[in-house]
Order: sequence, then structure tokens, then C-alpha cells
Amino acid sequence: AQKITQTQPGMFVQEKEAVTLDCTYDTSDPSYGLFWYKQPSSGEMIFLIYQGSYDQQNATEGRYSLNFQKARKSANLVISASQLGDSAMYFCAMREGDDDKIIFGKGTRLHILP
Amino acid sequence: GAVVSQHPSRVICKSGTSVKIECRSLDFQATTMFWYRQFPKQSLMLMATSNEGSKATYEQGVEKDKFLINHASLTLSTLTVTSAHPEDSSFYICSARDGLGQGTSNTEAFFGQGTRLTVV
Repeated sequence: AQKITQTQPGMFVQEKEAVTLDCTYDTSDPSYGLFWYKQPSSGEMIFLIYQGSYDQQNATEGRYSLNFQKARKSANLVISASQLGDSAMYFCAMREGDDDKIIFGKGTRLHILP
Repeated sequence: GAVVSQHPSRVICKSGTSVKIECRSLDFQATTMFWYRQFPKQSLMLMATSNEGSKATYEQGVEKDKFLINHASLTLSTLTVTSAHPEDSSFYICSARDGLGQGTSNTEAFFGQGTRLTVV
């Protein structure tokens, strides 16, 4: 079974609009961390935001916020005021318990339209 | 911020030859590094966990004799693709986590720039 599910293979959004990228996860470990990474066409992985399972508040980093709904096992990424430079592949990922390895979802390709 | 340097960024090799990819943590010590493989338009698939001073831990389905991993120091892990074939052509990317940590705030894994391997 997939640990990380991203149901949107691709999205097209008008510049300056907000966009929500969906992510659900599956774990039985009470301690885990959730990540979002951006991968532009160059291939590098750019860290965007992190949410710990015990964090009380939703994580925010500039224009990025993570809508963490623990009971639903959902960790959607919200990008406010989208920009052309936001066009890229976005991956949701999870680290479980004491395990250091990070497992990735299949990704969502985001296209920002001028 | 912490930086992970991966080299080379691109390599083309002939079928049957071996290719070595280096992953260095530049300003922190990494007791553990991870190697991922990414096919075009697909996700990153974890291949193995590289442990400093000990054998790597390979994910199911990854041939350890084909993908040799060496983590000889706290700042360097290498992945050698032995007897490469065209089906090994892929994007390989490493990541590392600061082994010493920075309190509870050091939660992200830092990624190298990736290596695009083409076997002809």
C-alpha cells in the first residue's frame, strides 16, 4: 500500500491565485514528519515546509502553508499568490518514527499560467 | 544553510563500464546518507541507506552488487553503478541529514543536485 498519496498528477493555475496540492499519508507510527519538496526542471530538490506529527499548529513558510488534518491523515500544501516561478513538480514526503529515510509520493506537476 | 554536493551532475558512459557518483556534506557531518533513483516524470524511489563505517541497507528489489555504496567518512558517500546498462540510465540523487542535529529544528533532509546518468 502507498504510504504517500498525491491524487493530482497535474494542475493548471492562473498566476496570483492560491493553489492547494493534496497529500494523504498512511502510518501507524504516532511520531512522524511530513515534508513538501519542489523539484524544478533542473532536478534539484528544494525543501519547502515541514510538519511534525506532534506540532499543534499548521506549519507556514512565507507563501507556503501546510493544512495538516491529523485525523484525516492529510497534509495539503497551500501556495498563496502563485507566481510563474512556482511551476514545477511538487512532492509530498514522510519520515516515520526514528527512521531517517524519507518516502515520497508520486508528485504533482504544477503549471502556473500567465 | 547545510549543503550537500553531488558530483558529477551529468555522465554518459558506455554499456559495461562502471560509474561512481559522489555525495558530500559540505558543512555538517552526515552519519547517514540516502540514495534515490528517479525515472523521468516519476517519483524518487529510495534505493539504499548509506551508513558511515558500516554496510549500506538496501531497499527491496535493489541489487547490492550492482549498486555499490561506500560511506567511508562522515562527509562522503559514493554510489558506484557497476557494469552499467542502458536500463540503468536515470537520475540519481542523494540526501543527508545533519547527524549532530540542531536541536528540534533540524528536521529537513538536504539533497544533492542529482546526477543524470546516461548509458549508451
